[in-house]
Amino acid sequence: NSKVIQTPRYLVKGQGQKAKMRCIPEKGHPVVFWYQQNKNNEFKFLINFQNQEVLQQIDMTEKRFSAECPSNSPCSLEIQSSEAGDSALYLCASSLYSSAETLYFGSGTRLTVL
Amino acid sequence: GQQVQQSPTSLVLQEGENAELQCNFSTSLNSMQWFYQRPGGSLVSVFYNPSGTKQSGRLTSTTVIKERRSSLHISSSQITDSGTYLCAIMNTGGLSGKLTFGEGTQVTVIS
Repeated sequence: NSKVIQTPRYLVKGQGQKAKMRCIPEKGHPVVFWYQQNKNNEFKFLINFQNQEVLQQIDMTEKRFSAECPSNSPCSLEIQSSEAGDSALYLCASSLYSSAETLYFGSGTRLTVL
Repeated sequence: GQQVQQSPTSLVLQEGENAELQCNFSTSLNSMQWFYQRPGGSLVSVFYNPSGTKQSGRLTSTTVIKERRSSLHISSSQITDSGTYLCAIMNTGGLSGKLTFGEGTQVTVIS
């Protein structure tokens, strides 16, 4: 069973507001991924970290999102100015490997932007 | 075009029936995984299977790289198997750790 913990479970924000979600990866997993799953079941990779360093991120994440994985603190993903199109399930996953072999997912944070 | 295509989109099974879910991909890949997603969101890794056949209980996954397909076979389905099954690939030359998901097969098992 996955021990990746994501909070909050649900998040409701108005357009233009900041939205922040957190993730505690499985103990001992140095690699953390963030994915966005929309209502059509489409997954979008957002960013991944190895320890505290960003490995890869997409353009959208660079511009409107900020993310970090500080040592001894939860990882976080924050949308600086929420848009309606950001409404989705945000999934955090961790792995022993940057190759994403055997990913363990959290239950997700469901963001609704009104 | 879509890199990962799953079929069928949805499936209704009588308890005890078998089912085969298909995943076809249009690019060469480094890895292939099957996930199960419960209603409500939580994703669970079912198989990491970049090639060949793997079995775990009533589930069997077969990936044939040269044919660019993978299948997930559910035998003797149970009501608790209900949920969405997603396949995901990582392309060769793609972003490290970037999985590309299919849109899933929604499985409903009824008694």
